[in-house]
Amino acid sequence: KQEVTQIPAALSVPEGENLVLNCSFTDSAIYNLQWFRQDPGKGLTSLLLIQSSQREQTSGRLNASLDKSSGRSTLYIAASQPGDSATYLCAAINTGGFKTIFGAGTRLFVKA
Amino acid sequence: DTEVTQTPKHLVMGMTNKKSLKCEQHMGHRAMYWYKQKAKKPPELMFVYSYEKLSINESVPSRFSPECPNSSLLNLHLHALQPEDSALYLCASSQITRDEQFFGPGTRLTVL
Repeated sequence: KQEVTQIPAALSVPEGENLVLNCSFTDSAIYNLQWFRQDPGKGLTSLLLIQSSQREQTSGRLNASLDKSSGRSTLYIAASQPGDSATYLCAAINTGGFKTIFGAGTRLFVKA
Repeated sequence: DTEVTQTPKHLVMGMTNKKSLKCEQHMGHRAMYWYKQKAKKPPELMFVYSYEKLSINESVPSRFSPECPNSSLLNLHLHALQPEDSALYLCASSQITRDEQFFGPGTRLTVL
């Protein structure tokens, strides 16, 4: 059974710092990995999807990597800003099967 | 149009009421999802429709009844709910061939 874990649970950093959020999963066989952000009381915003055949995806200040052999994905945020404050969730998606399992999330606070 | 819309935004209902949640997308996605999210917890998958057919039911109680009347619409019919069903209900959609999910803003449901 797939389990997804995110570390750390919460993170507070000063503005401008580069940071890394971690996501680990137990079954890497045929899963894609998607990163989201969620603001309090809101829906989820898609950040990046890494398909199971890929190793990395980039969008602006965000870079996500996927290492299936170790069962890990990392989300790198460069030059953090107060507007980046949110909960970041990773989700393992069974390729072609739609089954989706979320990690518990990392709550990020960027101090001005 | 990259938007998933959900109505209503908020819903308060008694345990004997019948109500429905609605989700709509016009991105041509043929996979649509219902999730339940309790406070400070990650979303939990409830149902998935693929080509308007139910493909995943995560052992959800029968008081929740999904319906996919066409490729753009997804409904969740609610009947005889319990107070513990109070949560944020999120709808998402994706292409069949690409698992990137796009979420709506959610319906905040309170069961009295």
